[in-house]
Amino acid sequence: ILNVEQSPQSLHVQEGDSTNFTCSFPSSNFYALHWYRWETAKSPEALFVMTLNGDEKKKGRISATLNTKEGYSYLYIKGSQPEDSATYLCASKLAYSGAGSYQLTFGKGTKLSVIP
Amino acid sequence: NAGVTQTPKFQVLKTGQSMTLQCAQDMNHNSMYWYRQDPGMGLRLIYYSASEGTTDKGEVPNGYNVSRLNKREFSLRLESAAPSQTSVYFCASSERAVALRENQPQHFGDGTRLSIL
Repeated sequence: ILNVEQSPQSLHVQEGDSTNFTCSFPSSNFYALHWYRWETAKSPEALFVMTLNGDEKKKGRISATLNTKEGYSYLYIKGSQPEDSATYLCASKLAYSGAGSYQLTFGKGTKLSVIP
Repeated sequence: NAGVTQTPKFQVLKTGQSMTLQCAQDMNHNSMYWYRQDPGMGLRLIYYSASEGTTDKGEVPNGYNVSRLNKREFSLRLESAAPSQTSVYFCASSERAVALRENQPQHFGDGTRLSIL
């Protein structure tokens, strides 16, 4: 079983502030790193899937980087807005096992609250 | 476009009762998954199905069974419910990754909140 850790556990920022969170994962047998956004009373929604060391992905004001050698990923939000309030989950996949599918191991998430 | 649909949304059971949680997806995905979400824990994989006709255990399979009825549907059964199975259950689906480095995100249903008394 992988150990995927996210920090901080929760975060309160003012509207307009930029912020970032960390996801750390075992670097051996790495296959992919997923980021999901989970709003209260809704289902998790995929933000990014990253596979290559040095990968950078961007969607609007949200971006992510990946370091597979040291086993971490950062998620950045530029100019936070109240609608960014959500729990952000990361999840890691092990290398292909031949079973035709891959298990995701999720972190506990970082809960972001953006104060207007 | 419904995506992943789970039924029921809420259920209360007594210890020892059985029930089946239903999940259906309309995205023609090959792979489907069942997770549980408990306070202070990450989403934990119960069972998954890489493709129609196959199922495999995840991290926490004890007390559950699954059936991949066809490509669209993947059900989760509690044969004899226990209070420790009180949780929110999520079904998800994804395209099957067949090439090295190809990877697909998972699409989640809205969850089933299950309480066992």
